[in-house]
Amino acid sequence: TQLLEQSPQFLSIQEGENLTVYCNSSSVFSSLQWYRQEPGEGPVLLVTVVTGGEVKKLKRLTFQFGDARKDSSLHITAAQPGDTGLYLCAGARGSQGNLIFGKGTKLSVKP
Amino acid sequence: DTAVSQTPKYLVTQMGNDKSIKCEQNLGHDTMYWYKQDSKKFLKIMFSYNNKELIINETVPNRFSPKSPDKAHLNLHINSLELGDSAVYFCASSQGHSETQYFGPGTRLLVL
Repeated sequence: TQLLEQSPQFLSIQEGENLTVYCNSSSVFSSLQWYRQEPGEGPVLLVTVVTGGEVKKLKRLTFQFGDARKDSSLHITAAQPGDTGLYLCAGARGSQGNLIFGKGTKLSVKP
Repeated sequence: DTAVSQTPKYLVTQMGNDKSIKCEQNLGHDTMYWYKQDSKKFLKIMFSYNNKELIINETVPNRFSPKSPDKAHLNLHINSLELGDSAVYFCASSQGHSETQYFGPGTRLLVL
């Protein structure tokens, strides 16, 4: 059973467009993290959201945690080719650091 | 300086062989993890060690055995390799269980 559903699975857009990636679950998480992974590399943490309704911004990236702490979204404004990569959401449950990962969104931004 | 390093980066081997993957972190973290990422990029935790003690052991075949000689190292030994073991294996570390996890560059294992 996949606890975290991530959508879309693939996204190909032109430079300058906006996009939103969604991460949904029926389970409550103590925190939710977003990672970006480039080919041949390990995932790199972008942000951690902890409080229901929390919004965090990282330059052109806006992250939101759902009020019930079951879902999250990542919005990118004016996408750049450098944003290309695999975006992974991961939910933390309990205190043992067990991260449940979504299946990822592969983003391609064309110049 | 590399925070979390893994060796080897690539590993090609035959079915039935035994192999080990090494992981080292120089961040002073007390918790280390092994993840498996399949061909569809799905990342799933395998093991978690805190202060050299096994904390999480997901449903992983007994052929996989983690070994932590000290807090900075967590190695993964795999016996009797099977075709389905082909994947990218990532090591990660954190300070405490609930803190940010830092991932290594991955080991690409191909079993022929």
